[in-house]
Amino acid sequence: GQQLNQSPQSMFIQEGEDVSMNCTSSSIFNTWLWYKQDPGEGPVLLIALYKAGELTSNGRLTAQFGITRKDSFLNISASIPSDVGIYFCAGRGNTGNQFYFGTGTSLTVIP
Amino acid sequence: DADVTQTPRNRITKTGKRIMLECSQTKGHDRMYWYRQDPGLGLRLIYYSFDVKDINKGEISDGYSVSRQAQAKFSLSLESAIPNQTALYFCATSGPWDYDTQYFGPGTRLTVL
Repeated sequence: GQQLNQSPQSMFIQEGEDVSMNCTSSSIFNTWLWYKQDPGEGPVLLIALYKAGELTSNGRLTAQFGITRKDSFLNISASIPSDVGIYFCAGRGNTGNQFYFGTGTSLTVIP
Repeated sequence: DADVTQTPRNRITKTGKRIMLECSQTKGHDRMYWYRQDPGLGLRLIYYSFDVKDINKGEISDGYSVSRQAQAKFSLSLESAIPNQTALYFCATSGPWDYDTQYFGPGTRLTVL
């Protein structure tokens, strides 16, 4: 299957700091998604990206579809304690119906 | 009430036993999915169904089977459970207005001893 690598694997940050994480693929994708998973729950979609170079925001979250179409980035500004969780990227190519998920970035926000 | 429900939420079983995990949804979505989540590996697709008569294998279907009993119900079976099937299992759905947005259930934690 497709390999999506996320980095960093985990982050420990102070409340109020900005966060950056990225996701890289061995293949070109036409759609990139970013999800957040709270402890004990299923993932929830945060942002969807459909075009290379696209920059999309959702509140304090901003995600970008990389120009090479093999990567995507998520930034969180002014982190707060409820940002704690695991963030996953997911990508889909132009053939097939399957989304491939990244390995996840675990975020801990220290008050 | 939750839109996507999974039963059971937790299950401990023994090697060789047959196990069924159930998923129900009230969102009226036509597409349903089963994923497994392992630490450090993210989510991997097991099976997906685009309607009652459509079943497709995902990335890791070996050792699993599914049944789409109705538009709202999608079951995952492990015919003979083995320890490396110990994982967190998620059901998800998506609908015709936005197939890319998948709504996940709360998960089933399965342990195979």
